[in-house]
Amino acid sequence: QQPVQSPQAVILREGEDAVINCSSSKALYSVHWYRQKHGEAPVFLMILLKGGEQKGHEKISASFNEKKQQSSLYLTASQLSYSGTYFCGTEEPINTDKLIFGTGTRLQVFP
Amino acid sequence: DSGVTQTPKHLITATGQRVTLRCSPRSGDLSVYWYQQSLDQGLQFLIQYYNGEERAKGNILERFSAQQFPDLHSELNLSSLELGDSALYFCASSPRQGPNYGYTFGSGTRLTVV
Repeated sequence: QQPVQSPQAVILREGEDAVINCSSSKALYSVHWYRQKHGEAPVFLMILLKGGEQKGHEKISASFNEKKQQSSLYLTASQLSYSGTYFCGTEEPINTDKLIFGTGTRLQVFP
Repeated sequence: DSGVTQTPKHLITATGQRVTLRCSPRSGDLSVYWYQQSLDQGLQFLIQYYNGEERAKGNILERFSAQQFPDLHSELNLSSLELGDSALYFCASSPRQGPNYGYTFGSGTRLTVV
């Protein structure tokens, strides 16, 4: 089952904040977050592991609630470059060989 | 340049034909993943290889097959093509198996079946 993301779309002005949620019906070992600009490849943003470890290389933050099987991505002081479609990807404890991507959230930031 | 190379970038072919998509993973990465993305849709997992062995399968059609060679490059073969197979096909790589590594995606192959 594909993780469900909410909202489906967000429109922001520069400087505003946004939260994107990812919810799974299955127990999770890790959650990835990616951003994809139109016609381009998805780009890795962050990975959150069971137990609280977090790895990423951009100035964004995220949370992972293992019990609720949910993750949230926090975008603060948004910039024009944040525009794109955000996907979460989930890995299950007994099947960490594949990443199942969520339904996607389209984010548009305007000046 | 992400370090993952996919060829060709664009492919136009007729229904019923067979095509091969190629992927070279980032240097040092042992895992290769294939995903299909239809127009304005999400990323659908097809198949994963680790160091030459198939490790996970998604909803990959029987008409599709893949392999990873000793030099770690991978090929995705699509046969008896249908109009519905038109999509962006992405390859991604990661250093090893498991949940501790982010994926690096190639720029994709856009397949158009006419």
